[in-house]
Amino acid sequence: DADVTQTPRNRITKTGKRIMLECSQTKGHDRMYWYRQDPGLGLRLIYYSFDVKDINKGEISDGYSVSRQAQAKFSLSLESAIPNQTALYFCATSDPRISGNQPQHFGDGTRLSIL
Amino acid sequence: DAKTTQPPSMDCAEGRAANLPCNHSTISGNEYVYWYRQIHSQGPQYIIHGLKNNETNEMASLIITEDRKSSTLILPHATLRDTAVYYCTVMDSNYQLIWGAGTKLIIKP
Repeated sequence: DADVTQTPRNRITKTGKRIMLECSQTKGHDRMYWYRQDPGLGLRLIYYSFDVKDINKGEISDGYSVSRQAQAKFSLSLESAIPNQTALYFCATSDPRISGNQPQHFGDGTRLSIL
Repeated sequence: DAKTTQPPSMDCAEGRAANLPCNHSTISGNEYVYWYRQIHSQGPQYIIHGLKNNETNEMASLIITEDRKSSTLILPHATLRDTAVYYCTVMDSNYQLIWGAGTKLIIKP
């Protein structure tokens, strides 16, 4: 979905490095999410935000942090990357103005490899 | 939280209807069912969602059983481009989607 842009698309880095993944959206949605996907598995929620400055932990938040300084941007950080954080990372948005059950819309993902 | 169970893989002939089942026997009364698909490792694409009633849109139909313990996604005329992993997910009371491992659907010519 071109309205949700993730950068970088691919990243290879070393253990112990600090990494930031960026997500920006032009959909005007209040809610944003970060997910992780490991090979052959479904997505797991890392963090989510329902508004600027609102941050909530998901299922697997340990080792990650996020920042939501503007409605359109939600960044995910790995303070000290470790190899088992190698995965595909997805950002998603949703619009609660109609109802809280509106579907989420996903970016194209960031493939992160930690050596 | 409700969990979903899907067969790991299915085949369907091109031009036929593809019927993808999902069990969500622990779903709560106000939890919606959502279907997404993922082609290769691209971002999941939203297909359809529903609560109790059957739903239809330009992509698919969603049939939910009366007891809401299972549902079926129907792609009425499958094409080769419908080959993907299909995920049945449930949105819990905190508006979080709970994902299973999905069904790999292969459309054969």
